[in-house]
Parts: sequence; C-alpha cells; structure tokens
Amino acid sequence: EIVLTQSPGTLSLSPGERATLSCRTSQSVSGNALAWYQQKPGQAPRLLIYGASTRATGVPDRFSGSGSGTDFTLTISRLEPEDFAVYYCHQYGSTPPYPFGQGTKLEI
Amino acid sequence: EVQLVESGGGLVQPGGSLRLSCAASGFTVSSNYMTWVRQAPGKGLEWVSVIYNGDLTVYAASVEGRFIISRDNSKNALYLQMDSLRVEDTAVYYCARHYQSSDIYASWGQGTLVTVSS
Repeated sequence: EIVLTQSPGTLSLSPGERATLSCRTSQSVSGNALAWYQQKPGQAPRLLIYGASTRATGVPDRFSGSGSGTDFTLTISRLEPEDFAVYYCHQYGSTPPYPFGQGTKLEI
Repeated sequence: EVQLVESGGGLVQPGGSLRLSCAASGFTVSSNYMTWVRQAPGKGLEWVSVIYNGDLTVYAASVEGRFIISRDNSKNALYLQMDSLRVEDTAVYYCARHYQSSDIYASWGQGTLVTVSS
C-alpha cells in the first residue's frame, strides 16, 4: 500500500503570501492519480485538484497543482483569508485502498 | 444541485452496531461510485469503503468483515452497516460521490459522528 507523506505539518503564512505544500508517495503514482482536498474546521473536505494539476469546478486559479511520480506540490499563489485550512493529498486509481496524506495545516 | 446528507450516527457501546445512511439528491446513487470516508477526532481522513457499479464493494482492512456498504436505489440512498464496533471506530463518517468513473471524491456530505464508548 502506498504511503503519502505531507510536509510541512503546519505552515504559518500571511495573507498575500505564497504557499507551497508537498506530498511525497512511497511508490510512483501511475497516471498522476493524485488529488488535493481542502478542509475547514467543522466542514467536509472539498475537492481542489485532481490528476495532479487539474482544478475542480469552481476552484480559484490561485490554486495550482504540479508534480509526477512520487513528488507532488500544491501551490497557492496569493493567500486569501479563506484559504487557511487543512489540506490533504490523496492517491487514487489502480485498486483500493486509496490512502490520504496526514494533512498540512495552513495557519495565519 | 448535488446534495448528500448523512444520518444515523450516535453513541454506541463497544461491540454494538449502527447503520449510517446517506440520502442523495441531484443525482442517482445507483449510477455512481460511492464511498465512505471517516475522520477520528482531531485526526486525518481515512478511506473506509467503496461501492462500484455492479455492486462491487471494497473495504479498508481495519473494517473488513465488520462493515457492509450498500445502496437502495428506490430511496436513492447509501448505507454503511457497522457491526462489532470498536473504540477506534469513533469518527465523523462522510459519504462521498465519485467524479465520473474515477476514485476522485467530487461531492461530500456534512458527516455524521459515531462515538463508540462504554
């Protein structure tokens, strides 16, 4: 089973700054089957990125995903107050189980 | 508009059972891949189970043999029957609709809390 390791655990930034979140997988992810989800306190997760770099419907273009193989990155170009949340990467495709990373908390 | 509403959570003793429901609107459950994901208090997301077309089901090792995922097409709902519950099953349980025929979770419910405690 693939293990996803996210870094850093917590990222402290200010509105307007650039955020770079990392997700490393223990095995190469075929077809770039890697997604990113955002979760705010008390809310369900929300799909942001799939296929490593495709934004989901309605996701602002300040969010971008990149990477391949075992190294993936979620970048938020200019942080807005509503972007402070926990972000999870998720490997899918092939066969279950489909693990999540442990999450990166983006805090002000 | 796609909407998912979970219910059925609550407090149960270790060894007990609960049945979670996920009422869907805006789409047809029977035509979609559906998943349950859980989140223990203060912890990350854990995939629990998936039901594909043809009612093919897969479970996480941690719940295999104790949980059963199913759906009722007439009620347009997804279910999770949870038996032999353990303290470590305590979590918010989310149902999710997959994006097309993939294992990407495009839409999520608000979750229902299951607490297993004596």
